[in-house]
Amino acid sequence: QKEVEQNSGPLSVPEGAIASLNCTYSDRGSQSFFWYRQYSGKSPELIMSIYSNGDKEDGRFTAQLNKASQYVSLLIRDSQPSDSATYLCAVPTNFGNEKLTFGTGTRLTIIP
Amino acid sequence: DTEVTQTPKHLVMGMTNKKSLKCEQHMGHRAMYWYKQKAKKPPELMFVYSYEKLSINESVPSRFSPECPNSSLLNLHLHALQPEDSALYLCASSLELQQGRGYTFGSGTRLTVV
Repeated sequence: QKEVEQNSGPLSVPEGAIASLNCTYSDRGSQSFFWYRQYSGKSPELIMSIYSNGDKEDGRFTAQLNKASQYVSLLIRDSQPSDSATYLCAVPTNFGNEKLTFGTGTRLTIIP
Repeated sequence: DTEVTQTPKHLVMGMTNKKSLKCEQHMGHRAMYWYKQKAKKPPELMFVYSYEKLSINESVPSRFSPECPNSSLLNLHLHALQPEDSALYLCASSLELQQGRGYTFGSGTRLTVV
């Protein structure tokens, strides 16, 4: 089992709709969870972090965490064409949380 | 200053060349990282430095040699690379190791080995 798993997509969503991105992880000891956005040819940009079960909202973005199910998701409301990118889920996965491991990423396309 | 600066942005090198990648941050971060990213793949960790000491080496071939001369600077020395080493090399930093606050990435160096 991979340490961090995502549906690679591509995921196509109409402009204005909600985009839902999912991630599962294998290390039950993980305490922090991150979503990065990466535009083609660019470096990853941290857009959301979540540490506690439940929802965390930041503008149009909502991160959801369920530690019992080892599941973290990212919702993007009112999707815009500028949201088209690859979204990477990242989780510290080794004993000392020194290593941030990335999922394979989900490529999201917002259709105007 | 909230940036991680990487130079050069692009590098083409032959298999017999020696070159270096440079990464600099002035945010007071004490942990710095090198990642390698191939096309359509996630970033893969190469090295972790904490307080200028090497903390993690992910079994990277010796043709990649990291160096952390001071708390703001991280280098990656390259020698005798192979074409398959062509990739985007990303530097990142965080306030501390294990602080669980995520990384700030630099814009990367796109390396092509010919």
